[in-house]
Amino acid sequence: EIVLTQSPATLSLSPGERATLSCRASQSVGNYLGWYLGWYQQKPGQAPRLLIYGASNRAAGIPGRFSGSGSETDFTLTISSLEPEDLAVYYCQQRFQWPVTFGGGTKVEIK
Amino acid sequence: QVQLVESGGGVVQPGGSLRLSCATSGIDFSGSAMQWVRQAAGKELEWVAVISYDGSHISYADSVKGRFTISRDNSKNMLYLQMNSLRPEDTAVYYCARDGGYCTNGVCYFDYWGRGTLVTVSS
Repeated sequence: EIVLTQSPATLSLSPGERATLSCRASQSVGNYLGWYLGWYQQKPGQAPRLLIYGASNRAAGIPGRFSGSGSETDFTLTISSLEPEDLAVYYCQQRFQWPVTFGGGTKVEIK
Repeated sequence: QVQLVESGGGVVQPGGSLRLSCATSGIDFSGSAMQWVRQAAGKELEWVAVISYDGSHISYADSVKGRFTISRDNSKNMLYLQMNSLRPEDTAVYYCARDGGYCTNGVCYFDYWGRGTLVTVSS
């Protein structure tokens, strides 16, 4: 199975700062057709919410400060200017190969 | 308004059984693949099982294969997870999720999730 490794485990930043979250796959999660990597946000006590699909496409209603990038095995979720409500754990997920796998998560803390 | 509501969780002894249900509304249930995902306390998300829109294709995580059974009733917009031979490591919040809505090249992502139901396996 494809293992997803997220780093850092915890990110502590002040409002307005830029957050860069990394997701590294044990093998490529796509091909010439595209990259099959999604990002989810899970706030305390809530279910996950889809932020990014296909590595770089924002889901409806997701603020423009969230963006995804990357290819092959290295992907990044960027929050351009951190808001207090962005306190959450962020998970990457690959849909290239069964079984579906998730990364271990990055916890974003607001200073 | 989209709603996915899980039920059926509780405390069960090792070796016991539980049946989880997921009642859905506001989505094209009979046209959607559905998933179960679980999360142990303080841990990451773990995919459990998937069922295609018509029930013809089913897949399980190795950790639950042979013990769990996913099923659906499209006439009732309901998803189920029968869990047998439960182990302490099955203790988690179980989420149902819709697989669809956001797709690239036919590969979709989990766009709607329920709030989860807690399963505790303990003697």
